[in-house]
Amino acid sequence: GQQLNQSPQSMFIQEGEDVSMNCTSSSIFNTWLWYKQDPGEGPVLLIALYKAGELTSNGRLTAQFGITRKDSFLNISASIPSDVGIYFCAGQGYQFYFGTGTSLTVIP
Amino acid sequence: EAEVAQSPRYKITEKSQAVAFWCDPISGHATLYWYRQILGQGPELLVQFQDESVVDDSQLPKDRFSAERLKGVDSTLKIQPAELGDSAMYLCASSLDWGTWQETQYFGPGTRLLVL
Repeated sequence: GQQLNQSPQSMFIQEGEDVSMNCTSSSIFNTWLWYKQDPGEGPVLLIALYKAGELTSNGRLTAQFGITRKDSFLNISASIPSDVGIYFCAGQGYQFYFGTGTSLTVIP
Repeated sequence: EAEVAQSPRYKITEKSQAVAFWCDPISGHATLYWYRQILGQGPELLVQFQDESVVDDSQLPKDRFSAERLKGVDSTLKIQPAELGDSAMYLCASSLDWGTWQETQYFGPGTRLLVL
């Protein structure tokens, strides 16, 4: 199945720094979702976006639904150690398609 | 808070044996999904149900995998016989109604399968 282009693949940052990751697709989507997955666990929904141009926040997390409907980005401000994990984007077309994940490591 | 339930959380089996995974979606969710996730990759859809009907099983290896959702609530995914390459995380997810085309999908904790 189709996998979305997600970048960067991995990030190593100092605690307190801001993080930015993005997802792009060749197809337009109706919905963009962002998840965080810890080792051995299922993905946990962070933010859901339903309209092109929409900007949504959840605490220190902010995500935007791209105007072209083919991309989305996720920002994390003032990172903390518990932000460590793998972040996935998902776009809804005929089915849900997932990015390849961004592995985030936060150095205290 | 409503959650998607899955069991077992872990399963170790020998190749050629049969395995089964169970999923109970969030109450009221009509759409249920089974995904397979290989380490380092995003989830890939195996089968999608709308109530008790299969909407998409194009990626399900039907020679060895089967899935059912008889009463439109909980679901079982079976592998028979299991092969070494089936070792992966099996994730179940649910959403309110696929027909709305703007869905929020929630995942369960997953079943980690190891085939020896």
